[in-house]
Amino acid sequence: ETGVTQTPRHLVMGMTNKKSLKCEQHLGHNAMYWYKQSAKKPLELMFVYSLEERVENNSVPSRFSPECPNSSHLFLHLHTLQPEDSALYLCASSQPGLGFNEQFFGPGTRLTVL
Amino acid sequence: QKEVEQDPGPLSVPEGAIVSLNCTYSNSAFQYFMWYRQYSRKGPELLMYTYSSGNKEDGRFTAQVDKSSKYISLFIRDSQPSDSATYLCAMDRSGNTGKLIFGQGTTLQVKP
Repeated sequence: ETGVTQTPRHLVMGMTNKKSLKCEQHLGHNAMYWYKQSAKKPLELMFVYSLEERVENNSVPSRFSPECPNSSHLFLHLHTLQPEDSALYLCASSQPGLGFNEQFFGPGTRLTVL
Repeated sequence: QKEVEQDPGPLSVPEGAIVSLNCTYSNSAFQYFMWYRQYSRKGPELLMYTYSSGNKEDGRFTAQVDKSSKYISLFIRDSQPSDSATYLCAMDRSGNTGKLIFGQGTTLQVKP
């Protein structure tokens, strides 16, 4: 595996279900991100983890719960979601340092909430 | 007012055309300006980034930043069907906050 991988690629869930999205980066980076991409809207940054500590939480509802057990893995735990949470969820990673810090994105998980 | 405005298109051009994609922004603190390309069913990938004002060229792609007007552009010369994708502009106050602010994205179709 190379780059940033995400599983599953597609997920359909009911509003009462609990599911998790997984992201893994094979780039040796130490920062990881969750974004939400909805139709006709800009990418919204949800969470940022740096060295496995959450450093940003952009007022995301508590029904989204991130977990970063190590610098290579990031999870997004989902429970009691709403239909408006249907979107493409993108994971990214980067290596912060001096100067420009490129973020590398995974292919995303297409989530549909019924 | 959104921090970054980008016309969503769609924009359809014939092969070989020059394409101009644009974003405007309101936050004068932005210093790094990025263009990402996103193919269908893929994640965004960085095309180019520019620091502060000026131009940057990479092959058929040229990025321009005019901080005085808070306006950035991406030009694609000799456009190809393989350039058909959604182009996202993004901005950051420094190069490494990780807190990118994205535009809505412009969908481009280049017809053979």
